[in-house]
Amino acid sequence: EAQVTQNPRYLITVTGKKLTVTCSQNMNHEYMSWYRQDPGLGLRQIYYSMNVEVTDKGDVPEGYKVSRKEKRNFPLILESPSPNQTSLYFCASNLAGGRAGELFFGEGSRLTVL
Amino acid sequence: DQQVKQNSPSLSVQEGRISILNCDYTNSMFDYFLWYKKYPAEGPTFLISISSIKDKNEDGRFTVFLNKSAKHLSLHIVPSQPGDSAVYFCAASLGSGNEKLTFGTGTRLTIIP
Repeated sequence: EAQVTQNPRYLITVTGKKLTVTCSQNMNHEYMSWYRQDPGLGLRQIYYSMNVEVTDKGDVPEGYKVSRKEKRNFPLILESPSPNQTSLYFCASNLAGGRAGELFFGEGSRLTVL
Repeated sequence: DQQVKQNSPSLSVQEGRISILNCDYTNSMFDYFLWYKKYPAEGPTFLISISSIKDKNEDGRFTVFLNKSAKHLSLHIVPSQPGDSAVYFCAASLGSGNEKLTFGTGTRLTIIP
């Protein structure tokens, strides 16, 4: 089954404790990205990757890091989480050159930073 | 600055009637528009899209209309069904080959049986 898998789905942590949210897709997609969803703000892009070892900032990259060492994986790293990073996070992927914007999303990871 | 706006946070429609969800954008460079549907505890799923060279695209019960001069698009669902109850996001991109989407804030649609 074609899917984008995120882990963990739910996480409560404390300020400053490094964490990683993993994302894996099994569709051989080149393009992957991370979004966060906040009330009244919709979905905002954090980082994206056009292919292995190619990453770039989205609209709200502050406080986040990413890496793309393998095509299928695109982890989101919060080196020192803060309460304003409490949010619902989505990973998404697409075939580069495919129909623009038709992203496949994971089920989301709800993060709470105390 | 919100480049894609959905001014109605929520909408309730009787089952069988038409649901109309609206979306406005400010960036005239946007060239491709999409609607996504999101159920609770799930990720958004692609619903329908339209290129700026068209003014209408239809897929079954779903039709998207684009008015470029007004920078406005709408999603029509006819007839509305209980399973259509979800949050709907409109999104825009700079066109083919550009996967980055700018999303609106979403409209929660509730279909009343």
